[in-house]
Amino acid sequence: ETGVTQSPTHLIKTRGQQVTLRCSSQSGHNTVSWYQQALGQGPQFIFQYYREEENGRGNFPPRFSGLQFPNYSSELNVNALELDDSALYLCASSSVRTSRNNEQFFGPGTRLTVL
Amino acid sequence: GDSVTQMEGPVTLSEEAFLTINCTYTATGYPSLFWYVQYPGEGLQLLLKATKADDKGSNKGFEATYRKETTSFHLEKGSVQVSDSAVYFCALIIQGAQKLVFGQGTRLTINP
Repeated sequence: ETGVTQSPTHLIKTRGQQVTLRCSSQSGHNTVSWYQQALGQGPQFIFQYYREEENGRGNFPPRFSGLQFPNYSSELNVNALELDDSALYLCASSSVRTSRNNEQFFGPGTRLTVL
Repeated sequence: GDSVTQMEGPVTLSEEAFLTINCTYTATGYPSLFWYVQYPGEGLQLLLKATKADDKGSNKGFEATYRKETTSFHLEKGSVQVSDSAVYFCALIIQGAQKLVFGQGTRLTINP
């Protein structure tokens, strides 16, 4: 069984640029959630995708957007990058079966640095 | 709103010491509770969970009991090892909701 994978591992951008982060969900999982983890903090929920539609959103501005594809992989897009967007971005996948136990399985994350 | 408060770190212990990391929560609904562990440079791994009051989650020698009356889910281990050095996160999710709500994390360092 393949776990959650994310790419790239690290990324450096400058303020004002746009970035796309990618996530492949665990085999058999149809739901993807994205979290932002600032340095020294706990992860904060950005949004969740289920069946290619947004299924819940945290307190993040519209410049954070996402997509889910028919194979359940997902992208997180951030426009007009700000210095405070520097963080570890975590993707988590789940399925109907794991959702009954409220379990989400995390990938290794993408470290984004905005200069 | 929903929130999780963890014991402030960092925590430094000697090998074979007893570990407690405190976690309390505030929830608008009936939560499931989790402990996640994050090793350096890695993502989050689920350590243990409990889905209803008085449930005890356990894994790799770690334990935590869901205490509804005190809204707590403290993590314990009887004898820690150097390999337990990591950041530990307490988290909750409300049944039917989408998001995990995390505490700020507790960095644990075990010295040989």
